Amino acid sequence: AQSVTQLGSHVSVSEGALVLLRCNYSSSVPPYLFWYVQYPNQGLQLLLKYTTGATLVKGINGFEAEFKKSETSFHLTKPSAHMSDAAEYFCAVSVSNNDMRFGAGTRLTVKP
Amino acid sequence: NAGVTQTPKFQVLKTGQSMTLQCAQDMNHEYMSWYRQDPGMGLRLIHYSVGAGITDQGEVPNGYNVSRSTTEDFPLRLLSAAPSQTSVYFCASSSGTSGSRADTQYFGPGTRLTVL
Repeated sequence: AQSVTQLGSHVSVSEGALVLLRCNYSSSVPPYLFWYVQYPNQGLQLLLKYTTGATLVKGINGFEAEFKKSETSFHLTKPSAHMSDAAEYFCAVSVSNNDMRFGAGTRLTVKP
Repeated sequence: NAGVTQTPKFQVLKTGQSMTLQCAQDMNHEYMSWYRQDPGMGLRLIHYSVGAGITDQGEVPNGYNVSRSTTEDFPLRLLSAAPSQTSVYFCASSSGTSGSRADTQYFGPGTRLTVL
């Protein structure tokens, strides 16, 4: 069975600093990988996804993630944090139809 | 487009009561799903539907029923609420016809349910 581990339930960065949110997965088949963001009192929205092809995926709001098969990782990065990036971020993996597994989430705080 | 809408936003129930969480989408998506979100556990799939008249169980279906009579609506019914069902519930939809694992899901704003 596939699973997702997000390292760090809370991450705090200063405005302008690098954002790095870690995600590792386990899967016996090539995975499709997703990052979703949840702003306070809202539903989740897609940041980016990897299905096939280029392993470096660019998403909305300046975020990107790189699929590294050898490390079973799909870490999310943004070069310079903005106050508006404060939210909860979920990594998810899907290895079959109708079966998406979410990580526990990482809450990002951005300090002025 | 309103996207995915959910009602109510908040609900408090007593143990044993029943209720229906409403979900509607105006994007003509065939695939709809229900998740629950619990602290430290991410989202877990309760039930899903690949089209009107077709539903199936997800990872945590016990205590919940669903039906899909139209493309737009996908209500979730709690038959006899229990404190373990205290959670935030999200409805989602996607444009794929079979819940393809590549599809992007669009989420509603959620319903926060407390069972006393």
